[in-house]
Amino acid sequence: DAKTTQPTSMDCAEGRAANLPCNHSTISGNEYVYWYRQIHSQGPQYIIHGLKNNETNEMASLIITEDRKSSTLILPHATLRDTAVYYCIAAMNSGYSTLTFGKGTMLLVSP
Amino acid sequence: EAGVAQSPRYKIIEKRQSVAFWCNPISGHATLYWYQQILGQGPKLLIQFQNNGVVDDSQLPKDRFSAERLKGVDSTLKIQPAKLEDSAVYLCASSLTSGGIQETQYFGPGTRLLVL
Repeated sequence: DAKTTQPTSMDCAEGRAANLPCNHSTISGNEYVYWYRQIHSQGPQYIIHGLKNNETNEMASLIITEDRKSSTLILPHATLRDTAVYYCIAAMNSGYSTLTFGKGTMLLVSP
Repeated sequence: EAGVAQSPRYKIIEKRQSVAFWCNPISGHATLYWYQQILGQGPKLLIQFQNNGVVDDSQLPKDRFSAERLKGVDSTLKIQPAKLEDSAVYLCASSLTSGGIQETQYFGPGTRLLVL
């Protein structure tokens, strides 16, 4: 699986958009970009995933660059409950492919 | 829909003792995962089951760790004997995956292990 690089931490004001970057310059053509988050003392929670098109669901939007070497997770209106560690993972879309978690980005949403 | 259940939530043992963790996945989920999460790091996959068969146990320290998933439902992870470096949160996850595509993994709350 391709390695991903994320900032260690980010801050965001409540109500503003949180834009979390991820670099995956060695991603292969059949690897998807997955995002999970982990709120303190809980297990990780799936957010969204995509291959090359931008994706949106009720939680977030995922913007992938045309060359697929980087992506951005967007939380459009961050709330205090969005404070968590966010993990960006590149993995094949196969049931036998594993998710390799890095250290992620600690997002702190403040009032 | 009930989530992934794990027990116990916390466990404190002394080194060289043994310990076991239990996981009940979401009903109908074919795939079950055990992860180890050391403080300050992301979860690391230890073992993946497809029904009651092992798909991937390449990162499981087999000299001290063992896991089983009898009848393809519940699973137990055992450490015997425990070392100080085994102090971590042990997370169980499950997915509907039947081997075709990577599907969403649903995680339990984890078991926090402290080895003294």
